[in-house]
Amino acid sequence: NAGVTQTPKFQVLKTGQSMTLQCAQDMNHNSMYWYRQDPGMGLRLIYYSASEGTTDKGEVPNGYNVSRLNKREFSLRLESAAPSQTSVYFCASSPSASIEQFFGPGTRLTVL
Amino acid sequence: ILNVEQSPQSLHVQEGDSTNFTCSFPSSNFYALHWYRWETAKSPEALFVMTLNGDEKKKGRISATLNTKEGYSYLYIKGSQPEDSATYLCAFKKSGTSYGKLTFGQGTILTVHP
Repeated sequence: NAGVTQTPKFQVLKTGQSMTLQCAQDMNHNSMYWYRQDPGMGLRLIYYSASEGTTDKGEVPNGYNVSRLNKREFSLRLESAAPSQTSVYFCASSPSASIEQFFGPGTRLTVL
Repeated sequence: ILNVEQSPQSLHVQEGDSTNFTCSFPSSNFYALHWYRWETAKSPEALFVMTLNGDEKKKGRISATLNTKEGYSYLYIKGSQPEDSATYLCAFKKSGTSYGKLTFGQGTILTVHP
């Protein structure tokens, strides 16, 4: 079991460029989440997917879109990157809402 | 915006010391309180998920208590070891909120000196 995997691990973008962060889990979990982690801010929820075929906004969704491609995969897209989106992005999954979440290794994104 | 506060922000202790830190959260509409341990350059790992007032959970030398009426949880580490050095995060889930939404505190950074 690889658990939760994320690609890429690191990325540098220029302002205005677009990119997609990929996340996959092999634990057959229903729910998946995208967080961003900024110094002094803790983890903040960007989007989540309670189950395959559904997505919902979290605390900081502006500037992002998501796709729950299938039960395994949940991608996060930045359509036009901005320096304010420089952050470490974590994907997580859980069997259900009340159960612990399992985190991926993170993607460190820098937008110049 | 839900207020989840952790204190202290950072803590330095000597190997063998016991330590504890606090997570404060809204006392109304409680659903669950999570604790995670986050080592540098790794991803957060779940320690406990607590749902009942008065809950006490234990994993090895780490234990946690929960008071939902007053809105706090304590995490205790007995006989700290250098490998306990990490950021400890708590996360609150409010009842009635959308499925799976956790609000995280900023974390307590623990450093255990040999």
